[in-house]
Parts: sequence; C-alpha cells; structure tokens
Amino acid sequence: AQSVTQLGSHVSVSEGALVLLRCNYSSSVPPYLFWYVQYPNQGLQLLLKYTSAATLVKGINGFEAEFKKSETSFHLTKPSAHMSDAAEYFCAVSDPGSARQLTFGSGTQLTVLP
Amino acid sequence: GAVVSQHPSWVICKSGTSVKIECRSLDFQATTMFWYRQFPKQSLMLMATSNEGSKATYEQGVEKDKFLINHASLTLSTLTVTSAHPEDSSFYICSARDGRGLGYGYTFGSGTRLTVV
Repeated sequence: AQSVTQLGSHVSVSEGALVLLRCNYSSSVPPYLFWYVQYPNQGLQLLLKYTSAATLVKGINGFEAEFKKSETSFHLTKPSAHMSDAAEYFCAVSDPGSARQLTFGSGTQLTVLP
Repeated sequence: GAVVSQHPSWVICKSGTSVKIECRSLDFQATTMFWYRQFPKQSLMLMATSNEGSKATYEQGVEKDKFLINHASLTLSTLTVTSAHPEDSSFYICSARDGRGLGYGYTFGSGTRLTVV
C-alpha cells in the first residue's frame, strides 16, 4: 500500500522568497512520484515527476524536487516565489509495477504575499 | 505534450436529470482513464478506473448505477451522472494514463463543475 503525507495544508511566503512544500511517501516498492499544481476551478497540471532516474528533478515554472530515499521525501522547492505561484499543490505516488492509480496527498495551499 | 480535453467545464442541471461529462485524449492513446471527484478545499477522491473496452472498476462507496462510465475507445471516456441530486454537486476531473507506459505519467482534464439545483 502506498500513501503520501503533505505537511502543512497552508503555506505562506513573501514574493521572492524560497518556496518549500513538503511531501513524504510510504511505499513498499520504489515509487514514481509526482507534483501537480491546481488553480481554482481547473484540473491538475504536472509540475514534475520522478521515475527512478536522476534524484533531482527539474520541472516547469522554476520548480524542482529531490527524491531522498533515506528520508522517504520528495519536497518541492522554488528559489523565488512569484505571485502567480499561488495555487493548490498536490504530491502523488504510484507503484510503477502495477496498473493502479495515483495516490494523492491532501494538498498544500500556497499563498504568496506581496 | 499530452492533452486531455474535458467537457463541459461547468454545467447546471435540474434535480432528477442526467448529465454526461466527456474526456478525450487528443494526442495519445489513453488505455486507462480515472475519474475523480473533488470537494471544496479537499484532495481528489478516486471514483472509478476504466480500461478501454471493459467495465469500469468502482471504488468502495461509489454507486455504479448512478455514475455510469463508458470507455469505448482509446481516446474517449464518459461519465454520466444519472438522476442527479444536489448532493452530487461537485468538481469532477478525469485523468488519462498514457498507454506508452507509467513513466509518461498521468494527464488531467480541466475539470467539470457540476451544480444540481
């Protein structure tokens, strides 16, 4: 069984500050990991994914995440927040060896303060 | 990149009527389609998984007779909410898995806001 825990349902940062959104996973097999962003009344857009290649994954809009097996973490970072980054962010895990769906975290609402 | 087109983006219907939501994969074959429901300020709740040409697999607690899913082709899946009631009002999102493999990820539709009055 897989699960994802996102620490902090709400995160606020100032414009230009570092963004750090935390994600820890639990999986019995090496997982695939994903970060998605959702703007109000829209679907989910893939930011980046880890599929057992490089542990530091770079995504769109300046985001990146590092897979740390020893910490079972896949935290999302961005060096400098923009107002347009304000949105809901979801971490998700899937088992590459099965046909199962993604398992989502509960989401983190990012607020960017001017 | 992969695109999933979901229509309509919003719909208002009267209680007791049925509503159909379509999801089309535009530039890839979606061997598996997932349907999610999302309540305000909450994460996505998986409703069902459908594979092309076979019956959908519903998650526990989801009424298969109320939420009819059809996945007749590799590019089209539909969700029909039958005899809709106000409690069915929600945001529905589809997601398609690229048939080329899990490494290609999952592509989401833009969602459908259903309001039953």
